[in-house]
Amino acid sequence: EVQLVESGGGLVQPGGSLRLSCAASRFTFSNYAMSWVRQAPGKGLEWVSSITGSGNHTYYADSVKGRFTISRDNSENTLYLQMNSLRVEDTAVYYCAKDPLAFCGGDCYAGSAFDIWGQGTMVTVSS
Amino acid sequence: DVVMTQSPLSLPVALGQPASISCRSSQSLVHSDGNTYLNWFQQRPGQSPRRLIYKVSNRDSGVPDRFSGSGSGTDFTLKISRVEAEDVGVYYCMQGTHWPPRTFGQGTKVEIK
Repeated sequence: EVQLVESGGGLVQPGGSLRLSCAASRFTFSNYAMSWVRQAPGKGLEWVSSITGSGNHTYYADSVKGRFTISRDNSENTLYLQMNSLRVEDTAVYYCAKDPLAFCGGDCYAGSAFDIWGQGTMVTVSS
Repeated sequence: DVVMTQSPLSLPVALGQPASISCRSSQSLVHSDGNTYLNWFQQRPGQSPRRLIYKVSNRDSGVPDRFSGSGSGTDFTLKISRVEAEDVGVYYCMQGTHWPPRTFGQGTKVEIK
């Protein structure tokens, strides 16, 4: 069974940093784009960032652009999210998700997103 | 950004009765490749989200056939033909046509009446 396991969440002060990891298993990791989606307490889902299978293209929500960096290590089947300059409003459960995108020319990637989700890791930004 | 608007936001349903959730997008979700990238997700209490439907009407593996998706352009619907207790949770639509960003609806909470 395809599996995604997140880790790295915790309590951090405003302005601090944290790195999340997502370990993937039982699928060819390098063949798929991957994404992070977050959910603030009691709120809905918010897409955060995506990265193509090769790692050559990355995408970010405006709310995290310039502060968060998505990356991947295909040799270790692991996805990362480096979060810097954290704010109280970044408090959320962070999910990684498998993202079956296909190249559609130029800088276009399209597909039906998020077919597999991890269990999530909680990030709390508070003083 | 494409705005996704769901209704209703709360849906009490008796067991065995049908349920319907509407999702409207602020612009057409037809992609230049001809596909419409509209997904539906279910999030049961205390669990991670799970994709139910992709490209408007395609059920994911293991999803009961009482769930169906329909629609086109800007108007989409998720229907549950006969609600069961395990269907309690929050349902989200999401568009993947015009991105970044991918955008979700606000969520519809389905509960048993």
